[in-house]
Amino acid sequence: AQKITQTQPGMFVQEKEAVTLDCTYDTSDPSYGLFWYKQPSSGEMIFLIYQGSYDQQNATEGRYSLNFQKARKSANLVISASQLGDSAMYFCAMREGPGGTSYGKLTFGQGTILTVHP
Amino acid sequence: GAGVSQSPRYKVAKRGQDVALRCDPISGHVSLFWYQQALGQGPEFLTYFQNEAQLDKSGLPSDRFFAERPEGSVSTLKIQRTQQEDSAVYLCASNLARDNEQFFGPGTRLTVL
Repeated sequence: AQKITQTQPGMFVQEKEAVTLDCTYDTSDPSYGLFWYKQPSSGEMIFLIYQGSYDQQNATEGRYSLNFQKARKSANLVISASQLGDSAMYFCAMREGPGGTSYGKLTFGQGTILTVHP
Repeated sequence: GAGVSQSPRYKVAKRGQDVALRCDPISGHVSLFWYQQALGQGPEFLTYFQNEAQLDKSGLPSDRFFAERPEGSVSTLKIQRTQQEDSAVYLCASNLARDNEQFFGPGTRLTVL
């Protein structure tokens, strides 16, 4: 079974509009972390935002916010005021466990390609 | 530089050749991860080092894949007798501790002909 599911292969948004990228996850571990990374065409993975499973508030980082719905196991990324430079592949990832054998390795979804139109 | 560096950025190998991919993590980062990213897919975990100790190699796809980090800093991923299915981008990431974000290098794009 997929641990991270991103159901939108591609999304389009008009410049200056907001866009939501969906992510659902599957884990039985009570302690986990959720990450969003951006991968432009140049290939580097850029960290955007992090949400811990015990965090009470939704994470925000500038124009990025994470809509964390724990009961539904979803961690959607919201990008406000989209810019042309936001066009890229976006990955949701999960880190499971408080330690032990998890070592902090990330499990990634398939990604969503976001295209921002002028 | 301050970030994770990888070399070479691009590597073309003939099927059956051995290749070695290098990762220079951020100075002081204890944890180092290797991931494999096939075209159009998300990265998949290969192996993990804590300092010089390889604590998890469960993601290595076959015994042709070997990784080392002998002095706890630079790491090398070696692929022996490369096959076409090994063609992918190989990403290295490091972090200070388990709960911190992972910083990724630019990757090495391996093409096996």
